[in-house]
Amino acid sequence: DVKVTQSSRYLVKRTGEKVFLECVQDMDHENMFWYRQDPGLGLRLIYFSYDVKMKEKGDIPEGYSVSREKKERFSLILESASTNQTSMYLCASSYIRRGGAFFGQGTRLTVV
Amino acid sequence: AQSVTQLDSQVPVFEEAPVELRCNYSSSVSVYLFWYVQYPNQGLQLLLKYLSGSTLVKGINGFEAEFNKSQTSFHLRKPSVHISDTAEYFCAVSRKNSGGSNYKLTFGKGTLLTVNP
Repeated sequence: DVKVTQSSRYLVKRTGEKVFLECVQDMDHENMFWYRQDPGLGLRLIYFSYDVKMKEKGDIPEGYSVSREKKERFSLILESASTNQTSMYLCASSYIRRGGAFFGQGTRLTVV
Repeated sequence: AQSVTQLDSQVPVFEEAPVELRCNYSSSVSVYLFWYVQYPNQGLQLLLKYLSGSTLVKGINGFEAEFNKSQTSFHLRKPSVHISDTAEYFCAVSRKNSGGSNYKLTFGKGTLLTVNP
């Protein structure tokens, strides 16, 4: 079974803190994604990566950055956390030419 | 650019009734289509996918979906639902035969299916 593991299920951080969300996949997938999920808005793509050190902005990249130094790991960074970044964050991975992505369990981040 | 519209934000049904969750997409190129399910406090699980071939796709838990290219739709159906099907369902689209930086999975806003006894 494909496994996508997010480092934390729940996280509480203070405004202005630098926050790291980590994601690891064990299936040698080329693509990795970070989504944000909010009620009534569905999943919105923050960033994705199609190879090591390669990244592209998604639909809502502002206030976020990413890092992919190794194929299996994709990190989402909130440079200076704000309350409007309180949300559920979902990581996913997939093969480059096969359909469908596999998701982690999500990290519920609360910024106070 | 591609987009997905899920026409109903909430669908309440009674147990053992049939259900259809509607999904329309727009894209200037050929696409792959997916349905995902999310149970409370969990990540997303792939229900089924259309890549090519037969337009009727069968997935897990008795769900099926039909790809209609002329109507740009990919509606999800189940002939008889159970209480355990209560969850949020997401339709998603990606560009076909794309690779590298062209690969993106775009989601609809979700449909909350509530199955009542």
